[in-house]
Amino acid sequence: DIQMTQSPSSVSASVGDRVTITCRASQDISRWLAWYQHKPGKPPKLLIYGASTLERGVPSRFSGSGSGTDFTLTISSLQSEDFATYSCQQSNSSPRTFGDGTKVEIK
Amino acid sequence: EVQLVQSGGGFLQPGESLKISCAASGFNLSNYWMHWLRQAPGKGLVWVSRINSDGSDTSYADSVKGRFTIFKDNAKNTLYLQMNTLKAEDTGVYYCARDSAGKRVFDFWGQGTLMTVSS
Repeated sequence: DIQMTQSPSSVSASVGDRVTITCRASQDISRWLAWYQHKPGKPPKLLIYGASTLERGVPSRFSGSGSGTDFTLTISSLQSEDFATYSCQQSNSSPRTFGDGTKVEIK
Repeated sequence: EVQLVQSGGGFLQPGESLKISCAASGFNLSNYWMHWLRQAPGKGLVWVSRINSDGSDTSYADSVKGRFTIFKDNAKNTLYLQMNTLKAEDTGVYYCARDSAGKRVFDFWGQGTLMTVSS
């Protein structure tokens, strides 16, 4: 199975900050990378697919980049509703696998 | 509006069985592949099982193969996961999720249901 490694595991930030989360795949996954947002008591929300395509309705302050093995999720100006956990997921090969998540906390 | 509403879950002992369900609305299960995923406490999401649109093909994680069965009732528009011979390591929040055709992502998720297996 492809291993997905996210860093950092947590980040403390303030409203308005720029936040970058990285995700590394254990082998080449081309651009088959998605990002999800998790909030307690709510189902995960798809943010980005195809490494950089924003899902409909997701604010443009979220962006994704990368290909091959290295990917990033950037929140350009953190808003209060963005404090959550973010995880990456590869779909280049089965089984689809996820990173362990990055928790974005209030500084 | 697409919705996936889950039911089931609970506290069970090792070796017991449980069936959880996921009722879909706003779309037809017969047109989509569907999945079950699990998140153990403090861990990342893990894919558990999937079923194709007409229910003719299924796939399972090695850890549950032979013990779990995914199936759906297209007439009721409901997805199920029958879990037998439960183990402590099956503990977690189980999510059903819809597979978005072409994007290879899970575009809609159920609210999750907690199952705890412990003696």
